[in-house]
Amino acid sequence: DQQVKQNSPSLSVQEGRISILNCDYTNSMFDYFLWYKKYPAEGPTFLISISSIKDKNEDGRFTVFLNKSAKHLSLHIVPSQPGDSAVYFCAASAGNYGGSQGNLIFGKGTKLSVKP
Amino acid sequence: DAGITQSPRHKVTETGTPVTLRCHQTENHRYMYWYRQDPGHGLRLIHYSYGVKDTDKGEVSDGYSVSRSKTEDFLLTLESATSSQTSVYFCAISESGRGGYAEAFFGQGTRLTVV
Repeated sequence: DQQVKQNSPSLSVQEGRISILNCDYTNSMFDYFLWYKKYPAEGPTFLISISSIKDKNEDGRFTVFLNKSAKHLSLHIVPSQPGDSAVYFCAASAGNYGGSQGNLIFGKGTKLSVKP
Repeated sequence: DAGITQSPRHKVTETGTPVTLRCHQTENHRYMYWYRQDPGHGLRLIHYSYGVKDTDKGEVSDGYSVSRSKTEDFLLTLESATSSQTSVYFCAISESGRGGYAEAFFGQGTRLTVV
């Protein structure tokens, strides 16, 4: 059963507007969440993370929001740029527990297309 | 960029043959991982290592084995390749451990085709 779910396989947004990518999780032991961006023929690159003691983390145009009660997180990109077009993966881990539970579990990804 | 090198970058092999993929890091990170990426499945963990000679299974470990004889190298072996193992394989490294929160850094990937 999927522990990390990205229910939207794709998202199309106009340049300059906000992109909102969503992620849901089921494992209540998850306490560390990350977003990765992946271009074709490249490895995923780390974008931004948030621990469960926070509900928001911001880095430039990228903001991640965490709603623990709903087991939901989202990535906001404002303003969206054509170079943001990529596949975005949500990942989670039970980092504070260590061992195998500290391993990252990934969602299936959302393909973002930002149109000029 | 994190110093992670995967080799080979592309490989075509025949069903039933053994295949070894190599991951080399220059970051001296403790943890190393092998993932596979397939359409509709995202990234799935095959095996991971938490130190030299210390390895464990991930969620899709059947048909794969790993070895880590040095901190910098993590090898993934397909004992007898099957068409279902056609995929893109990614190596990742991190310093996360008990009580730690750290992102994983990924290599460029190896595209493996089993014919």
